Amino acid sequence: SQELEQSPQSLIVQEGKNLTINCTSSKTLYGLYWYKQKYGEGLIFLMMLQKGGEEKSHEKITAKLDEKKQQSSLHITASQPSHAGIYLCGAAQSSNTGKLIFGQGTTLQVKP
Amino acid sequence: DGGITQSPKYLFRKEGQNVTLSCEQNLNHDAMYWYRQDPGQGLRLIYYSQIVNDFQKGDIAEGYSVSREKKESFPLTVTSAQKNPTAFYLCASTRDLFKNIQYFGAGTRLSVL
Repeated sequence: SQELEQSPQSLIVQEGKNLTINCTSSKTLYGLYWYKQKYGEGLIFLMMLQKGGEEKSHEKITAKLDEKKQQSSLHITASQPSHAGIYLCGAAQSSNTGKLIFGQGTTLQVKP
Repeated sequence: DGGITQSPKYLFRKEGQNVTLSCEQNLNHDAMYWYRQDPGQGLRLIYYSQIVNDFQKGDIAEGYSVSREKKESFPLTVTSAQKNPTAFYLCASTRDLFKNIQYFGAGTRLSVL
């Protein structure tokens, strides 16, 4: 079965610094989703990537999907305390099954 | 405002008791999902429903049951057969099964007394 591995598991950065979170799949990704979660709350959708080499940005967050569609990265530029939380990647197990699997999450702390 | 409402936010279960978690959405989405989240782990799929009166088991369905009598409602019952129910439970829904961007409720934290 497909698995998603996120790295690092946790990250502490100084405000203003850049950071990258990675999500690696054991199989080809049909769709890759990035979500953010505050502790004890629901997940907030950030971005979805489908095509190899695709890159999307929203404010200071950029997500990329590699050409082979087995790895995605989430890059935050000039981090702020508001970026703190848990970032989870999710992936479609195959096209049109309606099911997603999720990585274990990366906890980000941003020190002011 | 459109969205997904989960209730209650906190729930306590006694030994041998069944408890039901509520999930309601007014987004007119066909598909709904239940996930379990344990500390340091990602989400694991319990049950999902792509249409009213139909649902499928996810990866960890044992000890849980669901119903989908109305499009907007997808309640989850944690039965006494679930021996380790303490977790954070999340409900989600999606309009488009192909793109499958899922939108989540705020979650219910279940603890055992």
